[in-house]
Formats: sequence, structure tokens, C-alpha cells
Amino acid sequence: GAVVSQHPSRVICKSGTSVKIECRSLDFQATTMFWYRQFPKKSLMLMATSNEGSKATYEQGVEKDKFLINHASLTLSTLTVTSAHPEDSSFYICSARGLAGGDNEQFFGPGTRLTVL
Amino acid sequence: GESVGLHLPTLSVQEGDNSIINCAYSNSASDYFIWYKQESGKGPQFIIDIRSNMDKRQGQRVTVLLNKTVKHLSLQIAATQPGDSAVYFCAENTHGSNDYKLSFGAGTTVTVRA
Repeated sequence: GAVVSQHPSRVICKSGTSVKIECRSLDFQATTMFWYRQFPKKSLMLMATSNEGSKATYEQGVEKDKFLINHASLTLSTLTVTSAHPEDSSFYICSARGLAGGDNEQFFGPGTRLTVL
Repeated sequence: GESVGLHLPTLSVQEGDNSIINCAYSNSASDYFIWYKQESGKGPQFIIDIRSNMDKRQGQRVTVLLNKTVKHLSLQIAATQPGDSAVYFCAENTHGSNDYKLSFGAGTTVTVRA
């Protein structure tokens, strides 16, 4: 149980386009979802926290107008990278916290590799 | 900046030997710690966790030790296998912060030699 999926797993896009990444909790309701970014050989950096039905909370230095997050239901959160540029190329990972685990437990998705040409 | 870090970025270990991965944290208010394993191109995979009211917890082939006095966390892997090759991250959380955010360390790349 406690499976989190992401779609797509890999995406290549042209500079200036927008890309949407989906994060789904498959077998539990996620009250909170988190979005991370990971550059090669680096650690995970939290971008934002989203709670179902409310606005996302962004970490310092993360542009909320560039990284749009929508958490419309208890099983789905989306991250849209608007007007993507090559420097946005990264591995984007979501995690979900919900009723499946304890207070602090987060379940991670498999990640989405974004390449902006 | 990061409040959690790791002493060594890489660790090479002979198959069958035990591995010890270390982590230092700086937030004394942190009370929940997790070790994750990340294989190339995949998301982090939960290994084991420990709360601050404990100093040791064991799982299958893994043991986590917590020393709150020196703010140090370690992961021990017994009889390391080739499938254990991955990047290992420690992460911390502060209960009561109401945000349940995790702060990740820099990661240690473990390579198992046959």
C-alpha cells in the first residue's frame, strides 16, 4: 500500500513551453503533498507544500508564478512549470502524506525527468 | 541552508561486509529522522525511521542509531549486497511544526564491490 505515482516519468520540451507533471496517491488520501527538485548528484530540495483545497506554500527562492501547483483533490496534485527554460531541467519528485502512514511519514513518487531544450 | 548533512559523500564496501553511513544534523528541535535509499533515476525509498525518544531501531539488515547529544545519526547495513548500491539520504522533521516538512542531507553514494 501507500503508492504514489507520477506522470509523465520523462518529458522533453522546447524552451518557452509549459509542462504539467501529475502526482497521484493511488491507494490512500493525501492530505498534504510535497514537491521536490533534484539536480544531478545533489540532494532533494523542497519546492513547495500543498494541502488539498488550499494554496501551496512555497519555499524561499521558489517562484510561485513559474511553478504552479494545484492540489484539487485528495489524490492528485499537479506541478506546472511555466515558460520552461534549460535551467529548469531537473528531476522533479513528489511525495504525499496522508492517512496511510504516521504523522510524519511521506511516500515518494518515482520522479519525473524534465529536459528543456 | 541545509540543516542535515553527511560526513562522507561516497562509501565503497566489499560485498558481505557491514556498511555504516553517517549523518549530522543541526536542528536540536528535530524529533523524527528517516533514512532513504535512492537508486539512479528513481524516487527515494523508505528504509527505516526513528523518533527522538529512541536511540536505536532495527529493521531487516538495517539498524539506525541516534545520538541526540552530538546530533548524529547513522545507518548500519549488515552483510551488504550488490543491490544495496545506491545513494542514501538522511532526513529530519520537526514534530509540532505543523508542516511535516522534511529536510534532506547531502547524500552518500554507496558502491558495493563484488
